[in-house]
Amino acid sequence: NAGVTQTPKFRILKIGQSMTLQCTQDMNHNYMYWYRQDPGMGLKLIYYSVGAGITDKGEVPNGYNVSRSTTEDFPLRLELAAPSQTSVYFCASRSRVSLGTDTQYFGPGTRLTVL
Amino acid sequence: AQKVTQAQTEISVVEKEDVTLDCVYETRDTTYYLFWYKQPPSGELVFLIRRNSFDEQNEISGRYSWNFQKSTSSFNFTITASQVVDSAVYFCALSGSAGNMLTFGGGTRLMVKP
Repeated sequence: NAGVTQTPKFRILKIGQSMTLQCTQDMNHNYMYWYRQDPGMGLKLIYYSVGAGITDKGEVPNGYNVSRSTTEDFPLRLELAAPSQTSVYFCASRSRVSLGTDTQYFGPGTRLTVL
Repeated sequence: AQKVTQAQTEISVVEKEDVTLDCVYETRDTTYYLFWYKQPPSGELVFLIRRNSFDEQNEISGRYSWNFQKSTSSFNFTITASQVVDSAVYFCALSGSAGNMLTFGGGTRLMVKP
């Protein structure tokens, strides 16, 4: 059971380039999330998904896109990278519980630098 | 809107000292969940504890203990007899009844010196 895996671990992009951050979970979790963590700050939600085919915006969605074609995968797309997107990106997942919430489990993160 | 405040940005202690990390939250939900995560220097986020709003019992797990007080909207975390391996950034987080997002505090960096 690998949990939540993210690739790549590190990436440097030039302004205007695009890339996809990969996230996969093998726990059959319905809910998946993308967060960003700026230096010295807490995490902020970018997008989330409550199941395959369903996605919704979080607190800071501008400049990003997501898709959820399978339960396991939740890629995050940056179309035109900007220096403001330099951050550490965390993917998380949790199971669906009929009452209340369950714990979110996080991947190891992707450190992205845009120059 | 939800908000989590960790007023202590950085704490430095000497090994074996006890240390308490403060967390104050704001929410309009009557049902909510509080979490603590640890982020060691390696960068990953490690889940420590989840507490729901109906359970105000304090919890102890080894050297860790948590004090949840609804009356003051606080969920404080105490490490007893701190060790160098406890050095990390600790995040308090809040999830409302919809459960679709975690609101994180800004984190407290704990440095335990030998």
